[in-house]
Formats: sequence, C-alpha cells, structure tokens
Amino acid sequence: EIVLTQSPATLSLSPGERATLSCGASQSVSSSYLAWYQQKPGLAPRLLIYDASSRATGIPDRFSGSGSGTDFTLTISRLEPEDFAVYYCQQYGSSPPLTFGGGTKVEIK
Amino acid sequence: EVQLLESGGGLVQPGGSLRLSCAASGFTFSSYAMSWVRQAPGKGLEWVSAISGSGGSTYYADSVKGRFTISRDNSKNTLYLQMNSLRAEDTAVYYCAKEPVYYYDSSGYYHEYWGQGTLVTVSS
Repeated sequence: EIVLTQSPATLSLSPGERATLSCGASQSVSSSYLAWYQQKPGLAPRLLIYDASSRATGIPDRFSGSGSGTDFTLTISRLEPEDFAVYYCQQYGSSPPLTFGGGTKVEIK
Repeated sequence: EVQLLESGGGLVQPGGSLRLSCAASGFTFSSYAMSWVRQAPGKGLEWVSAISGSGGSTYYADSVKGRFTISRDNSKNTLYLQMNSLRAEDTAVYYCAKEPVYYYDSSGYYHEYWGQGTLVTVSS
C-alpha cells in the first residue's frame, strides 16, 4: 500500500497570497496517477486535479498541480476567500488499494 | 448536471446491518464504474468499495471485505452498499462517487463526482 504524507498539516495565509501544498508518496506513483480534492466543512470533497496536473471541469486556473514519482504539489496562485478549506491528495493506478493523504487545512491568517 | 443522492444511513447497533443507496442522474449510469468512500468523524478519506459499469466486477478494501457487498441496478440508476456485521469503526459519512471509466481496475481511479454523503453511526 502506498502511503501519502501531506505537508504542512495546516497552512495559515491571507487572501491574495500563494499557497503551496505538498504530497509525498512512500513509493513511486505510476504514470503520475495523483489527484487533489478540496473539501469544505459539512460538504463532500470536490475533484480539483487528476493525473497530477490536469484540471477538472470548472476548476479555476489559479489551481495547478505538478510533480511526478514520489513528490507532488498543489499550488493556488492567489487565494480567494472561498479557497480556505481542507485539501486531500489521492494516488490511483499503482499498487492497490488507492489511498488518500491525511489532508492539509488552508486557514485564514 | 451529475447528481448523486445517498440515503439509508442511520444509527445501528454493533453486529447489525444497513443498506445504503445512491440514486444517480445526469449521466448514463450503466456506462460508468462507481465507488463508495467513507470519512470517519473528523478524519480523512478511505476508499471502501467499487463496482464496474456492468456490475460484473467488484472490489473491496481489506477493512470491509467479507462484511460489505456493493451492487448496482442499472435499470433504476441506483448503487447500493449492503453492510453487515457492523463495527464501531465503521462509523462514518459514506459517499458514493462516479468514476471516469466503465471497467474498474483494482488499482483504482480518481473520483469525478461525489454525492453529499449519508451518516452511519454504529453504537449501542
């Protein structure tokens, strides 16, 4: 099983700032099969990024994903008020089962 | 617009059973694999089970294998999760999710769309 470690656990930033979230894998994630989700309190997760860098339908271009192998990054170029939430990474397409990281909370500073 | 609406959650005693349903609309249900993902209170996400578009192939997390059964009725556009021998550690919000493919591979996929979830509480 591939273990995903997200850092930092909490990121305190102001609207308009740049957010950089990291996701590290215990083994190489094949073909960059990594996704990112956003979850707000009381709501279901929403797909942001798949295949490490492809934006899902309707996702603003301030969200971008990068990385390969064992190191992946989600970048939010300029934080909007609605971006404060918890973000999860997920690997798939490698050794089963698919797994999620523990999450990074982006909070208002 | 893709819509997924879960139902069937509630309070059940340890050792009891519950069946969750997920009504799908806004896409050709039979053309896509589906999954169940759960989230314990205040915790992260855990994939539970998946089923291919035809229903002919099913997959389970080790934590629920032998206790949970996933199924689907393509004529009713509905996904199910039969949960037996429930334990306290099964307490969670259960989400159904649409996969981006028809055939499901054991190594999994990302989850394109999610329902709003239904809470299952296992407690005496």
